[in-house]
Amino acid sequence: KQEVTQIPAALSVPEGENLVLNCSFTDSAIYNLQWFRQDPGKGLTSLLLIQSSQREQTSGRLNASLDKSSGRSTLYIAASQPGDSATYLCAVNQAGTALIFGKGTTLSVSS
Amino acid sequence: NAGVTQTPKFRILKIGQSMTLQCTQDMNHNYMYWYRQDPGMGLKLIYYSVGAGITDKGEVPNGYNVSRSTTEDFPLRLELAAPSQTSVYFCASSRTLAEQYFGPGTRLTVT
Repeated sequence: KQEVTQIPAALSVPEGENLVLNCSFTDSAIYNLQWFRQDPGKGLTSLLLIQSSQREQTSGRLNASLDKSSGRSTLYIAASQPGDSATYLCAVNQAGTALIFGKGTTLSVSS
Repeated sequence: NAGVTQTPKFRILKIGQSMTLQCTQDMNHNYMYWYRQDPGMGLKLIYYSVGAGITDKGEVPNGYNVSRSTTEDFPLRLELAAPSQTSVYFCASSRTLAEQYFGPGTRLTVT
């Protein structure tokens, strides 16, 4: 059974710092991996989607990498800002349909 | 283009009551999903649909029913509500093997 783990569970950094969020999955047979942002009491906002054939995707200050063989993905956030404070969720698409989610990393960026 | 919309936003049910959570998408996506999110946990799949008239169970389907008569709508029915169904419910949609888009969620409390 596919399991998705996100480490750390919580992270606090000062504004301007570069940071990395980690996601690992137990079964490398995935179609794609998606990173989301969730603000308290809100829905999920899609940040990046990486297909299984890709190594990385970039959007603005965000860069997500995928190493399928080792079952790992990282989300790199450059020059963090207080507005980046949120919970970041990693999810894998294994069966071609629904996503399997990690529990998330809660990020706090202080000014 | 409203994306994925859900109603209601909040609801309090008494044990044993029933209700329907509504979900509509205007992106002509063939895939639709229902997830639930419990505090501090990742999302878990309840049901999904790959097209009108086709539905299938996810990881936690007990106590729920779905139907999909149109491409746009995917309602989730709760029969005989129980306290264990207190959660936040998210509807999502996507094209095949593509990025999933989420609605804002319905926060349900069963007392």
